[in-house]
Parts: sequence; C-alpha cells; structure tokens
Amino acid sequence: KNQVEQSPQSLIILEGKNCTLQCNYTVSPFSNLRWYKQDTGRGPVSLTIMTFSENTKSNGRYTATLDADTKQSSLHITASQLSDSASYICVVSAGNAGNMLTFGGGTRLMVKP
Amino acid sequence: GAGVSQSPSNKVTEKGKDVELRCDPISGHTALYWYRQSLGQGLEFLIYFQGNSAPDKSGLPSDRFSAERTGGSVSTLTIQRTQQEDSAVYLCASSSPGGASPLETQYFGPGTRLLVL
Repeated sequence: KNQVEQSPQSLIILEGKNCTLQCNYTVSPFSNLRWYKQDTGRGPVSLTIMTFSENTKSNGRYTATLDADTKQSSLHITASQLSDSASYICVVSAGNAGNMLTFGGGTRLMVKP
Repeated sequence: GAGVSQSPSNKVTEKGKDVELRCDPISGHTALYWYRQSLGQGLEFLIYFQGNSAPDKSGLPSDRFSAERTGGSVSTLTIQRTQQEDSAVYLCASSSPGGASPLETQYFGPGTRLLVL
C-alpha cells in the first residue's frame, strides 16, 4: 500500500528561526514528489516538484531535498516569517503518468513573533 | 478570475439528501482532480479527469459518489444520500494544458465545505 508519512505533526517556532519538515514515503513506482503549503481555509499551493533524479530544489526561502534511495524528503524553511504559519503537505505521485497521488497528513507549522 | 473556482463555498445539508458540488477549472486546463479533506485529516484523492473522461476513479469512497465533466471544462461531484461521514472540505484542482504530465502543477480551488447534519 502506498503511504506517505510526515513529521512532526505540528511545530511551533519563533520568527526568524529555521526549521525542517520530514516526509517518508513508500510509493511505487515513484514518479515525483511535491510539497504544498496550505493556509487555513485555502486550497494547497505548490512549493516544489521533484523527480527521481533531482536531489534538491529551492523556491525562495523553501528548499526541498529528495533521497530516492531512502525514500525520504525534507522541506527546509529559512528565516521563518509569520506568514509561513500553515500546513505543509508532502504528496508523492506514482505510476507512469504520475496521476496517482498519495498525500501525507501534513505538518502544521506555527511561527510566533 | 484566473484561478480555479468552486461552488458553493459552504453547504449544509440533512443526512440522506443529495448534494452537487461544482468546479470551474482554469481555462484550457485539460486535467481536473477532485480531493476530499476531512477535519484533521490529510487530503484524499477522489477522481481524476483527462478531458471529459475519468481514467482514474479509484478514490471514490462509495457508489454514492459520482462525478462528471462536460465540454472539457466544468466538473460536478455528486454525493447521493449523504451521510455524516461525508462532511469534509471538497477540493478541486486543475493542471496545465497538454494533459497531466509528471511535472504538471496542480492549481487548487478554495474548496467547498460540506456539513451533513
């Protein structure tokens, strides 16, 4: 069964600090891995998409890494801002067309002043 | 607008009633997805459309759920004989022209919040 597990479930950090969110997956055949940010009451917004051959991808203060051997990914947020408070969802695509999506439960991040 | 829109934004219904949720994807997007997000849960894939056809219906939780898409644009998700466990946020997403390539970005709508009493 395809599964995506994220940790921690929730995280509180002070503004300006860095943090790293983890995603472990057992999805086969692997197509790509995405990180989404979801603000409360809003739909998810894509942060990064990585294929098997990509180890890291950045989007501003967000940097995602992928280790396809260990089936782990991380999302690193640098110099956090209050607006980073949201849920961060790891999504892994399976299948040749990458259409079968398995979602992690998300990490709820709160950035405090 | 330029984004994915969904209606209604909120829906309260009585158990046993049928509900219809609507999704207007970004113009020209050929792929359309429906997801469900229950309270405190992650996103759950329901169904995927490529054009008007649905090659992947594997996520529909029961035969009370059905979806259609007409004209390669608007999609409706219908839940018959609603149950309390159907209460959730139903999200729609569409992806860029050319179909669902492995690297397409899905653009999500704001969701429909369904409450079944």
